[in-house]
Amino acid sequence: AQSVTQLGSHVSVSEGALVLLRCNYSSSVPPYLFWYVQYPNQGLQLLLKYTSAATLVKGINGFEAEFKKSETSFHLTKPSAHMSDAAEYFCAVSSYGNNRLAFGKGNQVVVIP
Amino acid sequence: DTEVTQTPKHLVMGMTNKKSLKCEQHMGHRAMYWYKQKAKKPPELMFVYSYEKLSINESVPSRFSPECPNSSLLNLHLHALQPEDSALYLCASSQQGQGYEKLFFGSGTQLSVL
Repeated sequence: AQSVTQLGSHVSVSEGALVLLRCNYSSSVPPYLFWYVQYPNQGLQLLLKYTSAATLVKGINGFEAEFKKSETSFHLTKPSAHMSDAAEYFCAVSSYGNNRLAFGKGNQVVVIP
Repeated sequence: DTEVTQTPKHLVMGMTNKKSLKCEQHMGHRAMYWYKQKAKKPPELMFVYSYEKLSINESVPSRFSPECPNSSLLNLHLHALQPEDSALYLCASSQQGQGYEKLFFGSGTQLSVL
């Protein structure tokens, strides 16, 4: 079975500071990895995904993530937080032939002015 | 059009009621999904339709009955629900149902069962 672990349900970051959300995965086959964002009262929106091409993936809204196989990690970063980044962020994993997307527990990001 | 549209946005129902949730997409996607999301929790997969056939049922109770009338529409029929079924129900679609594909989510139906 595949899974992802996101530590720390709430993450507070000052406006203009680095945003770092950690995601570690477990998979016996090459994984596909995703970061989704959910704003209040909305569905999920894809930020970025890794599907075995470049290990450094750039997404929307200035976010990027790096796939590190040796560390089984896919951490999400943004150099400078904006108030509009306040949302819930989910890391997720799937694999070839498997469209059961397994979500992590999520990180609630709070941006402090 | 890159939207997945869900109706209604809010639904309150009693435990003896029958209601339906609707989902529509016009992106030509051939895979459609139902997820259940409790507050402050990640979405949980319920059903997957691939090319209008039910391909995944995650052991969902029979009081939830999915239906895919055509490639653009997905329904979730609800009957004799329990208060613990109160949640946000999200519909999603993807191009062909492959694991590497982006999911497009609707805004959800917030369901309250009294």
